Amino acid sequence: DSGVTQTPKHLITATGQRVTLRCSPRSGDLSVYWYQQSLDQGLQFLIQYYNGEERAKGNILERFSAQQFPDLHSELNLSSLELGDSALYFCASSEQIWDNEQFFGPGTRLTVL
Amino acid sequence: AQSVTQLGSHVSVSEGALVLLRCNYSSSVPPYLFWYVQYPNQGLQLLLKYTSAATLVKGINGFEAEFKKSETSFHLTKPSAHMSDAAEYFCAVRTMNRDDKIIFGKGTRLHILP
Repeated sequence: DSGVTQTPKHLITATGQRVTLRCSPRSGDLSVYWYQQSLDQGLQFLIQYYNGEERAKGNILERFSAQQFPDLHSELNLSSLELGDSALYFCASSEQIWDNEQFFGPGTRLTVL
Repeated sequence: AQSVTQLGSHVSVSEGALVLLRCNYSSSVPPYLFWYVQYPNQGLQLLLKYTSAATLVKGINGFEAEFKKSETSFHLTKPSAHMSDAAEYFCAVRTMNRDDKIIFGKGTRLHILP
C-alpha cells in the first residue's frame, strides 16, 4: 500500500459525458501528478500540482483539467469524453517537486462507451 | 529531448533463469534513471534509481541495474527469476531541465515460465 488513494476504482460512462477522478496523496506529500495509461500510448504524464499550484504540464488535452485543494487532495476532470479516453488514470505523489521517487495510487479505470 | 527506449514489449524467462530487461536512454545532460514495476491491477512501485552515485544500483526484490554511460544503457537484471516477478516493468528518465519531469518508457511485460 503506497498510501495514495484514488476513487473511484472503476468508472463507466458514455461519450460526451464529464467525470471527476479524485486522489488523496500520502500524508505530508505536497506534489501530485496525474498519468494516463493506455495500451497504445503507454504511460503518459498529464499534469503536476505542487502545494495547490500547477507546476508542470504534459500531454493533457484541453478537455481535461485538474486542481489541487488546500487539503492537498486533487481532482482530475475529464469532459466531452470520447471512446479514446478509456484508460487507466493514475495519481502519484511525492514530498517535494519532482522527488526521485513518486508513490502511485492503484488507479481509476475509465471506460467510455 | 530526453527519452527512454525499452527493447522488447514482452520477455519470457524460465523460473530460476536470469532476468534481463533492456533500457536505453537519450539525454543531453547526466540523467537520473529509474525502474518501476507494476503488478497486475496495481499502481507503479519504484524498484531502484540511479542519481549519479554508484553506477551499479541495487533495488528491491533482488533486482539491480547498471548505468553505462558509454552505451547509454540502464538494463535491469535479476540472477534468478521467481514466479512472483511476473509484472510490467517501466524504465524512466528524469529530464532535469527547465521542463523537469519524469518520462516513462513503454514498458516490458515479464512472463515467468514454470
